[in-house]
Amino acid sequence: DGGITQSPKYLFRKEGQNVTLSCEQNLNHDAMYWYRQDPGQGLRLIYYSQIVNDFQKGDIAEGYSVSREKKESFPLTVTSAQKNPTAFYLCASRIVWAGLLDQPQHFGDGTRLSIL
Amino acid sequence: KQEVTQIPAALSVPEGENLVLNCSFTDSAIYNLQWFRQDPGKGLTSLLLIQSSQREQTSGRLNASLDKSSGRSTLYIAASQPGDSATYLCAVVGSQGNLIFGKGTKLSVKP
Repeated sequence: DGGITQSPKYLFRKEGQNVTLSCEQNLNHDAMYWYRQDPGQGLRLIYYSQIVNDFQKGDIAEGYSVSREKKESFPLTVTSAQKNPTAFYLCASRIVWAGLLDQPQHFGDGTRLSIL
Repeated sequence: KQEVTQIPAALSVPEGENLVLNCSFTDSAIYNLQWFRQDPGKGLTSLLLIQSSQREQTSGRLNASLDKSSGRSTLYIAASQPGDSATYLCAVVGSQGNLIFGKGTKLSVKP
């Protein structure tokens, strides 16, 4: 079945440590997105990528980094500069057809990150 | 800047009731609007997507309407069931294809 796989499901970070969240999709989607969700809040955009080897900052990119070396993979690194990383992280993807923005986004099951 | 608001923040109803969840957005120039369901600790499940040219979409007991001119969408759930208990999120598409979300409505359906 096609879909988006996020791993791990739960992740713990020590002070001063960088951690990487994995996001893999086999939907052959062009665009991929990372969102952060805090309790009682809507999802906020961290980074997005429309094409391989290119990515853009979203609304809350500080303290995060990404790479897009392969179409199917868009890992997110939470660096030690992110002082409040505890949240639920969701990865999404969508097809880009003729540059249109009307195609739906598909989501993974998320990674919950906590500080030790 | 596009902002999405959902009212109410929480709703509790007895089983069998019909209910309406509301979503409003500040910029009417949207490409589409999506309604999602989120169970505790889980990712998002897409329920309905309404294109900007459409007025409504239906799936089973769910019906979503869109009024771009007034910046509003409603999600109607008929004959609610305890299994409908979840958080419902509304989102519109931003200029880069990203989604701009409301904070959600937490629905509880009591048996």
